[in-house]
Amino acid sequence: DAGVIQSPRHEVTEMGQEVTLRCKPISGHNSLFWYRQTMMRGLELLIYFNNNVPIDDSGMPEDRFSAKMPNASFSTLKIQPSEPRDSAVYFCASSRRQGGSPLHFGNGTRLTVT
Amino acid sequence: DQQVKQNSPSLSVQEGRISILNCDYTNSMFDYFLWYKKYPAEGPTFLISISSIKDKNEDGRFTVFLNKSAKHLSLHIVPSQPGDSAVYFCVRETSYDKVIFGPGTSLSVIP
Repeated sequence: DAGVIQSPRHEVTEMGQEVTLRCKPISGHNSLFWYRQTMMRGLELLIYFNNNVPIDDSGMPEDRFSAKMPNASFSTLKIQPSEPRDSAVYFCASSRRQGGSPLHFGNGTRLTVT
Repeated sequence: DQQVKQNSPSLSVQEGRISILNCDYTNSMFDYFLWYKKYPAEGPTFLISISSIKDKNEDGRFTVFLNKSAKHLSLHIVPSQPGDSAVYFCVRETSYDKVIFGPGTSLSVIP
């Protein structure tokens, strides 16, 4: 079991640039979650998918943020254009959607927007 | 509103003693609560869970207690070890599959 794989681990970009974060969930998991962690707001749920379909994107902060899951083994979170306040650690997690089944997290992408 | 509150941002405990981490919640609509542990530069990892039909669940040194009337749960770690030093998140899973994290409590176990 390779675990949830996120790339890149670190991303530094200039304000206004497009940023794409990538996630490969654990094989066989049918739910995928994107979280953002900041000092001020802790771990915020941005969006989650069940069977590749977005279920709740109410946590996506602005229209500059978008997420896709074209297949069961890949998801992206895109920020366009990026702003300094988007600087945070972004986590992807996957799970089998049965009650109480835990989320398995990747090690996150640390995004810095200058 | 489905808030999860962890009112203690940090906790220090002597090695070998009990660590008690607390969590309060609003609203009664939930199926499961879970506890996660997080080390720096890593993603959170699952520790233990409890369903709404139970009031206690135990796994080795870790026990979670649920008091539904008080809308309160707690995680007990006995005995505490230095490797337990981490941030602990109380997490709520709703019947709509939404997974909501509390703000976390940073536990330091002093050797």
